[in-house]
Amino acid sequence: DAGVIQSPRHEVTEMGQEVTLRCKPISGHNSLFWYRQTMMRGLELLIYFNNNVPIDDSGMPEDRFSAKMPNASFSTLKIQPSEPRDSAVYFCASSLRGGFSGANVLTFGAGSRLTVL
Amino acid sequence: GQNIDQPTEMTATEGAIVQINCTYQTSGFNGLFWYQQHAGEAPTFLSYNVLDGLEEKGRFSSFLSRSKGYSYLLLKELQMKDSASYLCAVRDVIGSGAGSYQLTFGKGTKLSVIP
Repeated sequence: DAGVIQSPRHEVTEMGQEVTLRCKPISGHNSLFWYRQTMMRGLELLIYFNNNVPIDDSGMPEDRFSAKMPNASFSTLKIQPSEPRDSAVYFCASSLRGGFSGANVLTFGAGSRLTVL
Repeated sequence: GQNIDQPTEMTATEGAIVQINCTYQTSGFNGLFWYQQHAGEAPTFLSYNVLDGLEEKGRFSSFLSRSKGYSYLLLKELQMKDSASYLCAVRDVIGSGAGSYQLTFGKGTKLSVIP
């Protein structure tokens, strides 16, 4: 299994530009999570999906952020317009059976490092 | 919401034992996880506790006391490759129905193993 695949691995953009981050979860996993990691705030949950349906998006910072999961094998996180404070590493993770029962664990992708100038 | 505390940094010697503590406050506890994260890499799962007591997995053990809101990760026979950040994560119930859980991570403890 190739694991959770994220792209791009690195993105440098200018303030005001649109950024789209992509994620392919592990085949068969039915839950997908987007996290953001910074030195100051650590790892924060932005949004998660069960069976392609958004369950909790309370962690999405503001309307500039949006996430979609059109099918079981693909998700996007979009920031429009981007700001310097959005600079962080964005992780996508997937899990079986909702991820939040028993010892079901999250498998993380390698992350997308975003720098907004 | 949740409040998770763990030390920011620790240093230990190769071959030694180190204990990384985690305290938490939550209203609907449903499990505690430890993840390891090497610099520039993704977090990877180490252990899971939902009942009080010690879970042992090779050189790594994790302990949980729900009444005290306390967990620790114990690393034995430290190796240089154990230098990494260790993240404590708490899952709690936030509502009713499917998917009504939340997994919150602490900021992590950066462990440096020295010769």
